[in-house]
Amino acid sequence: GDSVTQTEGQVTVSESKSLIINCTYSATSIGYPNLFWYVRYPGEGLQLLLKVITAGQKGSSRGFEATYNKEATSFHLQKASVQESDSAVYYCALNTEGADRLTFGKGTQLIIQP
Amino acid sequence: ETAVFQTPNYHVTQVGNEVSFNCKQTLGHDTMYWYKQDSKKLLKIMFSYNNKQLIVNETVPRRFSPQSSDKAHLNLRIKSVEPEDSAVYLCASSPRTGGVNQDTQYFGPGTRLLVL
Repeated sequence: GDSVTQTEGQVTVSESKSLIINCTYSATSIGYPNLFWYVRYPGEGLQLLLKVITAGQKGSSRGFEATYNKEATSFHLQKASVQESDSAVYYCALNTEGADRLTFGKGTQLIIQP
Repeated sequence: ETAVFQTPNYHVTQVGNEVSFNCKQTLGHDTMYWYKQDSKKLLKIMFSYNNKQLIVNETVPRRFSPQSSDKAHLNLRIKSVEPEDSAVYLCASSPRTGGVNQDTQYFGPGTRLLVL
């Protein structure tokens, strides 16, 4: 089946420093998957941060970026300068065209140090 | 307000009891889902309904049963809870009507279940 592997556990970054959360995937279905980053802020529900459905394209939102790299089967999340408000749990996910489910990574808790 | 709503937020119960969780979406979507997030924080699909029809039924114990009265509602019943059912249950919906947003899922806040 499909699987997603991302940086596990906690990542601590000082405010204004750069961030990268790694995500690689394996999709067994024919065709390229759609790739997503979801985020859960403290006290809030899971929400879409960004998505990319075309290989080679980059998605961006709230200063975060992720590029769909089909050769490396990766979709790393990056931000040049993090803020305290970015503290949250980030999930990488995929689905395949017409699929009826999302396959998630285990989540990465981002802690921003002032 | 258009969103995905879940009740209750939190539920504590004893082993063997029956529980029922409600989910309603006001986004006009055709497809709804139940996911389970276990103690290791892994989110896994349990069920998916499209226009009241079951389309995904992962390998979950038979004590779990989804119930859909219309495409805006998808409830989850657990007949006789076990300790391993303690988890957060997330409801989601998606458009599945084509276009760029057809595969984006929108999540509710979750229901946390604690089985004593």
